[in-house]
Amino acid sequence: AQSVTQLDSHVSVSEGTPVLLRCNYSSSYSPSLFWYVQHPNKGLQLLLKYTSAATLVKGINGFEAEFKKSETSFHLTKPSAHMSDAAEYFCVVSDLRSNDYKLSFGAGTTVTVRA
Amino acid sequence: DAGVIQSPRHEVTEMGQEVTLRCKPISGHDYLFWYRQTMMRGLELLIYFNNNVPIDDSGMPEDRFSAKMPNASFSTLKIQPSEPRDSAVYFCASSLVNRGRIDTQYFGPGTRLTVL
Repeated sequence: AQSVTQLDSHVSVSEGTPVLLRCNYSSSYSPSLFWYVQHPNKGLQLLLKYTSAATLVKGINGFEAEFKKSETSFHLTKPSAHMSDAAEYFCVVSDLRSNDYKLSFGAGTTVTVRA
Repeated sequence: DAGVIQSPRHEVTEMGQEVTLRCKPISGHDYLFWYRQTMMRGLELLIYFNNNVPIDDSGMPEDRFSAKMPNASFSTLKIQPSEPRDSAVYFCASSLVNRGRIDTQYFGPGTRLTVL
């Protein structure tokens, strides 16, 4: 069965400094991996996705993530945080072998950005 | 495309009343998912459909919950009777499957349900 662990429930950064959100996954087969962002009182928006192409994936708003199979990780980074990045971030995995097209969501990481 | 559309955006009702949440998926998407989000339990998958047919409803909490998809452009999630513990944000999402892989799920804005 697939699962996702987001290693930090809360991350606080200063504006203009790098952001790192850590995600480890468990999957029996070749996974698809996603990062979603949820701003307060909003729905979930896709930041980026990995589906077995390039291991370094670039997303919207300057975010990127690197798929590392040997470490079963898919960490999300941004070189310079902006106030608008304050939100909750979800790491998500889908396992092709399960063949049921469910997604497994991490518990989420809340990001706060200090001025 | 307008994206996934949900209505109402907010619903306040009293315990015991029937509640119906509505969703219009993105045109052409053949998968539709209903989720519930609470502080305590995070995001939970309730049920999903493929080509209007329910595939997995194992996440539906109990018989008070039911979901239908009468056509490719409309789905409902009904709670009857509602209880205070059903208070949550309910999301609908739709997607395609591309070459056997789940593609991006696009989420609606959600319906915030409060049961008094």
